[in-house]
Amino acid sequence: EAQVTQNPRYLITVTGKKLTVTCSQNMNHEYMSWYRQDPGLGLRQIYYSMNVEVTDKGDVPEGYKVSRKEKRNFPLILESPSPNQTSLYFCASSLLGIGDTQYFGPGTRLTVL
Amino acid sequence: LAKTTQPISMDSYEGQEVNITCSHNNIATNDYITWYQQFPSQGPRFIIQGYKTKVTNEVASLFIPADRKSSTLSLPRVSLSDTAVYYCLVGSLSNDYKLSFGAGTTVTVRA
Repeated sequence: EAQVTQNPRYLITVTGKKLTVTCSQNMNHEYMSWYRQDPGLGLRQIYYSMNVEVTDKGDVPEGYKVSRKEKRNFPLILESPSPNQTSLYFCASSLLGIGDTQYFGPGTRLTVL
Repeated sequence: LAKTTQPISMDSYEGQEVNITCSHNNIATNDYITWYQQFPSQGPRFIIQGYKTKVTNEVASLFIPADRKSSTLSLPRVSLSDTAVYYCLVGSLSNDYKLSFGAGTTVTVRA
C-alpha cells in the first residue's frame, strides 16, 4: 500500500531534549516536505527536499533540522525543543513538485513542556 | 508560486451542492490547480486536480474558466462527513517546491 508513515504519532518531551520525528514513503517520490499546523495559522512549511541530499528552508525553519540521505526517508530533527514548537506535524511527499499530488502522513502531535 | 484567495467559511445542509471558488489571478502557464480536504487532526487528502475546463471524479468536480484566474470546486449532495477544511493550491509540476497553504475554506454541513 502506498503510504507516508511518521513516528512517533504522539510525543511529550521537555525543553532542550533532542528529538527526531521520522518520515518514510514507499512511493519512490522525489519531493518530501515537513509542515506544522497550529490553530488559526493553517499549515506552514518547515523544510522541503527536492531529492537526496537536496534540502531547503520553508516558511518556518527556525529551530528545526532535516536530512535526506535516502530517497524514502526525511527525518525532522529538533536539536533543542522549546514550548513554542508544540504543534501538530505533517510529513508529505510527491513524485514531482508542489503541483503534483501531495501525499500526507498521519501526523505527529508534539508537546514540549 | 501563485497566491490564492478563497472564502474563510461556508455553511450548507445535507443533500445540497457546495461550490467553493478560489481566485488565483497570477497563475502561470505551467501551473496546475489542486484541491485538498482536511479533517481535524488528519493530514490533507487530495480531492481533485485540473489544468483547464472541467474535471470530474467520484468525489467532486472542478470548473476552470478559460482565463484560469479562478476555479470552483463543486461537492454534489454533501453529507455530514463532508464537514472539513478545503484548500486550493496552485503550482507547477517542477520548479515549484516551496508550498504555502492558506487558511482554506471551512465547510460545515448541517443536518
